[in-house]
Amino acid sequence: DAGVTQSPTHLIKTRGQQVTLRCSPISGHKSVSWYQQVLGQGPQFIFQYYEKEERGRGNFPDRFSARQFPNYSSELNVNALLLGDSALYLCASSLSRDSHWGAPGANVLTFGAGSRLTVL
Amino acid sequence: DAKTTQPTSMDCAEGRAANLPCNHSTISGNEYVYWYRQIHSQGPQYIIHGLKNNETNEMASLIITEDRKSSTLILPHATLRDTAVYYCIVRVVNSGYALNFGKGTSLLVTP
Repeated sequence: DAGVTQSPTHLIKTRGQQVTLRCSPISGHKSVSWYQQVLGQGPQFIFQYYEKEERGRGNFPDRFSARQFPNYSSELNVNALLLGDSALYLCASSLSRDSHWGAPGANVLTFGAGSRLTVL
Repeated sequence: DAKTTQPTSMDCAEGRAANLPCNHSTISGNEYVYWYRQIHSQGPQYIIHGLKNNETNEMASLIITEDRKSSTLILPHATLRDTAVYYCIVRVVNSGYALNFGKGTSLLVTP
C-alpha cells in the first residue's frame, strides 16, 4: 500500500518567492495535517484539513495557506518566503477528524517523508 | 495541553531494553500520553498511547505511574534500527491533530 506521498522532496527558493508543496494521503484517509520542522526542533503544527475544510490552524502567519481537494490530496502554499521558512515540511494523513480514539493505533497520524525547503 | 519534559539524549546497547522517561506533572484527567519517534530523514511514526493503564503493542510498552505525572516508554530489545528521536506528547483524545512534539529524546543504540 502506498503511504503518504509528498512532492517535491527537495527544493530551493530565494527570499520573496512563493512555494507550493503537495501531499497525497493514504487511500481512504480524509484528514490531512501539515507540520513544519526546523532543524533541531520537533515538528510544529501548521494546519489540519478534514473533508476539504480547515479544522485547525497553528501559530503561523497569513503567508501560509493550504487547501484540500475532493480527492483529499492537499497543497501547502507559502508566500513571500523568508530565510526562516527553511525547514522540512511534513504532511500527515488520518482516517478521521479526531485523534487516537478507538482501537489501539486507530486514527493516528501517518506521516510522509517531507519536503525539504531551503530559502536563500 | 500539559507540558512534557524528556532527557535530551540517551544511549542503549543493542539487545538491551531501552527505557525512555517522560515527565508530565501537570497532566489533567482527560489527557492521554502518546509516543512517536522520528528516524533520521523520515517523518514521525506513531508508537503507542495510553491514559492510565500500562499498554503494550508489537513495538513497545508504555508504563504510566499511578499519579500519572510521569511515564516510561520501553523498547524491550533495542536494535540499531531503533536509533531515532522519541517524542512524548500529552493530549486530549478527540481534539484534532495539533500535536505538540517538543524536542524529544535522541536515542542512540550502539552495537
